[in-house]
Amino acid sequence: GENVEQHPSTLSVQEGDSAVIKCTYSDSASNYFPWYKQELGKRPQLIIDIRSNVGEKKDQRIAVTLNKTAKHFSLHITETQPEDSAVYFCAATSRGGTALIFGKGTTLSVSS
Amino acid sequence: DTAVSQTPKYLVTQMGNDKSIKCEQNLGHDTMYWYKQDSKKFLKIMFSYNNKELIINETVPNRFSPKSPDKAHLNLHINSLELGDSAVYFCASSPNSGGSSYNEQFFGPGTRLTVL
Repeated sequence: GENVEQHPSTLSVQEGDSAVIKCTYSDSASNYFPWYKQELGKRPQLIIDIRSNVGEKKDQRIAVTLNKTAKHFSLHITETQPEDSAVYFCAATSRGGTALIFGKGTTLSVSS
Repeated sequence: DTAVSQTPKYLVTQMGNDKSIKCEQNLGHDTMYWYKQDSKKFLKIMFSYNNKELIINETVPNRFSPKSPDKAHLNLHINSLELGDSAVYFCASSPNSGGSSYNEQFFGPGTRLTVL
């Protein structure tokens, strides 16, 4: 079935460093790729998304890249801050676009 | 300004009981979802409704039954609760489903279910 693999499962960086999280997907029909941030005890919230007709998108310190040929996409966070510490989920559309399939999450820890 | 709300926020119950979780969205969205997030934080879709019609029914026990009285509400009823049902359940909604115009899903605050 459809699958989204996410790596690494945990990531620890120093404040100011960059963080990169990578995902691969299996459904070649996937056309929408959101990233969600979930703080402890809170709901997942969208931080950035990208559609299949775009290769890269940036919003301040965060950027996402998409390689449709290789079926992988990545989240880049620059100049990390302690408040970036959270669990990050990638996702991809599946089932003809009726569902999002989520990766297993990356726990990012930013130490000051 | 609550967009997607769920009740209750916490639910503690004994094995074998039946319980319901309610979800409401005031965004005018067409599609609503239920997700289960287990202790390892894995978010897994359970059900999806579009305009009150079931469109996704994942491989979940038939003890779980969603009900959508109208497109703004999607409730989850669970019969004969088991220890393994303990998790956080998230409701979500999105403007539509399918096609190239897939849009953001907005999540509710979650319901932490603990089965003793």
